[in-house]
Amino acid sequence: AQSVTQPDIHITVSEGASLELRCNYSYGATPYLFWYVQSPGQGLQLLLKYFSGDTLVQGIKGFEAEFKRSQSSFNLRKPSVHWSDAAEYFCAVGARGNDMRFGAGTRLTVKP
Amino acid sequence: DTAVSQTPKYLVTQMGNDKSIKCEQNLGHDTMYWYKQDSKKFLKIMFSYNNKELIINETVPNRFSPKSPDKAHLNLHINSLELGDSAVYFCASSSFPRTAPPNTEAFFGQGTRLTVV
Repeated sequence: AQSVTQPDIHITVSEGASLELRCNYSYGATPYLFWYVQSPGQGLQLLLKYFSGDTLVQGIKGFEAEFKRSQSSFNLRKPSVHWSDAAEYFCAVGARGNDMRFGAGTRLTVKP
Repeated sequence: DTAVSQTPKYLVTQMGNDKSIKCEQNLGHDTMYWYKQDSKKFLKIMFSYNNKELIINETVPNRFSPKSPDKAHLNLHINSLELGDSAVYFCASSSFPRTAPPNTEAFFGQGTRLTVV
């Protein structure tokens, strides 16, 4: 069965600094990979997804992620973080014949 | 037009009661899900329905029973509520067929915050 690991439970960055959130997955076949963001008291909003093709995917709000099959990773990046980016971030994996599974989430705090 | 809508948004109830949470999607998706998010924000899949057929039933007490009257609806009924059932429950839908790649991501409702007192 597929699984997702987000090694960092909580990350704090200064506003304007760059950000990288880590995600590692485990699955034998081609995974479909997603990053979702959850603001306090809100539902989940899709930031970006990878199904196939170019391994560097661009998302909303200036986020991007790179699929690295050799490392089983799909890390999320943003060159300059804004205070409004403070939220919980979830990596998820899906696969044909299976359903989406989520990582434990990484809480992002942005310092002024 | 809300894509995935859940009702109610908040639910406070006493232990032992029976309650239902409703979910509807207007995206034409064939797969719907219920997730439970605990106090530590961990999202755990509970059920998955594909074309009204139960596909996944994770280790969930049988007090929880999903009902899918049609492809657009997946309701969650909970019997004999316990304190540990307090959580946020999310409904989601996707076009994630069993035999083909997905052509869309999962869309989530706003969540139902259930508090059992």
